[in-house]
Amino acid sequence: DQQVKQNSPSLSVQEGRISILNCDYTNSMFDYFLWYKKYPAEGPTFLISISSIKDKNEDGRFTVFLNKSAKHLSLHIVPSQPGDSAVYFCAASDSGGYQKVTFGTGTKLQVIP
Amino acid sequence: DTEVTQTPKHLVMGMTNKKSLKCEQHMGHRAMYWYKQKAKKPPELMFVYSYEKLSINESVPSRFSPECPNSSLLNLHLHALQPEDSALYLCASSQGDRRSYEQYFGPGTRLTVT
Repeated sequence: DQQVKQNSPSLSVQEGRISILNCDYTNSMFDYFLWYKKYPAEGPTFLISISSIKDKNEDGRFTVFLNKSAKHLSLHIVPSQPGDSAVYFCAASDSGGYQKVTFGTGTKLQVIP
Repeated sequence: DTEVTQTPKHLVMGMTNKKSLKCEQHMGHRAMYWYKQKAKKPPELMFVYSYEKLSINESVPSRFSPECPNSSLLNLHLHALQPEDSALYLCASSQGDRRSYEQYFGPGTRLTVT
């Protein structure tokens, strides 16, 4: 049972445009969400997070939006750069089991120069 | 220092071998994790150590044996593995309290079981 899903396995975007990566979750106990970026042959790198008490969090070119009623979150990257090309994982945790993070299936982003 | 290091980078072992994977962090984090990642799949949690005590074991087979000698080190002892255990093994650490859920990952050990 995949509790965190990223329905788009891949996404291609032109350099300078906006990249939008989507994530859906089913477990209503999740109250903290994270995005990780992973290059080949490296471990995932933490990008940005959001608590369920917020609906938006911004950090530079990266913004995460949370829609609790739809159990949906998205990551916006503006402007997209070739160095952003990587696999992006959405992840979720609940404050009761804060040590356990459930990862989504990943979306491979390619930013075309 | 925000680095998690893992050794070795690559490991090839036979099904009768015994080997160990090592992980180290010097960020003062009190929670450490082992994940397994197969190709084109998300990382799957195996074990969590919190304050040097095993707090989560995700029903991992006993041929994988974790050890946390101190707050900076995490080992994964491997014995009698199967070819399907071939994967990328990732170590991660976090502050270990409710203020922060962010985990910092090492580069992983690519394990091949022959």
